[in-house]
Amino acid sequence: GAVVSQHPSWVICKSGTSVKIECRSLDFQATTMFWYRQFPKQSLMLMATSNEGSKATYEQGVEKDKFLINHASLTLSTLTVTSAHPEDSSFYICSGTGTGGPQGQFFGPGTRLTVL
Amino acid sequence: DQQVKQNSPSLSVQEGRISILNCDYTNSMFDYFLWYKKYPAEGPTFLISISSIKDKNEDGRFTVFLNKSAKHLSLHIVPSQPGDSAVYFCAASAGTGANNLFFGTGTRLTVIP
Repeated sequence: GAVVSQHPSWVICKSGTSVKIECRSLDFQATTMFWYRQFPKQSLMLMATSNEGSKATYEQGVEKDKFLINHASLTLSTLTVTSAHPEDSSFYICSGTGTGGPQGQFFGPGTRLTVL
Repeated sequence: DQQVKQNSPSLSVQEGRISILNCDYTNSMFDYFLWYKKYPAEGPTFLISISSIKDKNEDGRFTVFLNKSAKHLSLHIVPSQPGDSAVYFCAASAGTGANNLFFGTGTRLTVIP
């Protein structure tokens, strides 16, 4: 299957700082990328959907000014958590879709964010 | 509101036996269902899917059953192998293909050698 990478795999930051997470599709062009968040013992919750070159569409309850998403190319999307706070500590995972098919989305390995 | 539910957080099965993972959903608009498998430190990988026009889809040792009236689907793995030990997520989408996915909380399967 297609490969999606995320960087960094884990990050610890101080409250009030900003953190950028990169998501790359390595062997396919991801026309659409998704960002999810997973809190402990909860399901993956979609935060936003982004199409290359367009503004991201955010799910209800997700602050677009706090979670900045850039999808500048067909292989790269970034999520920036601005002015992070401890409640933003979570597992962030991205996915991308290419030419479609029954497999849905190809997921990255995720980024563990801990805000102190 | 959790629209896709996996009520069993964990399951242990002896090698060679059948593993049955269950998933329930509440949204009757869901028409496409997928199972993903996740190993530690890796992203979920697609395992098998089923459209709402079917009630069964089989791929090797993996079979997914869909009961639309009960809003229930299950994943059967037979025979189970130690390499199947992972977290399994059920996901569903409504009318937009497999893009807007709603996930369950996952079931950790442990296959005991």
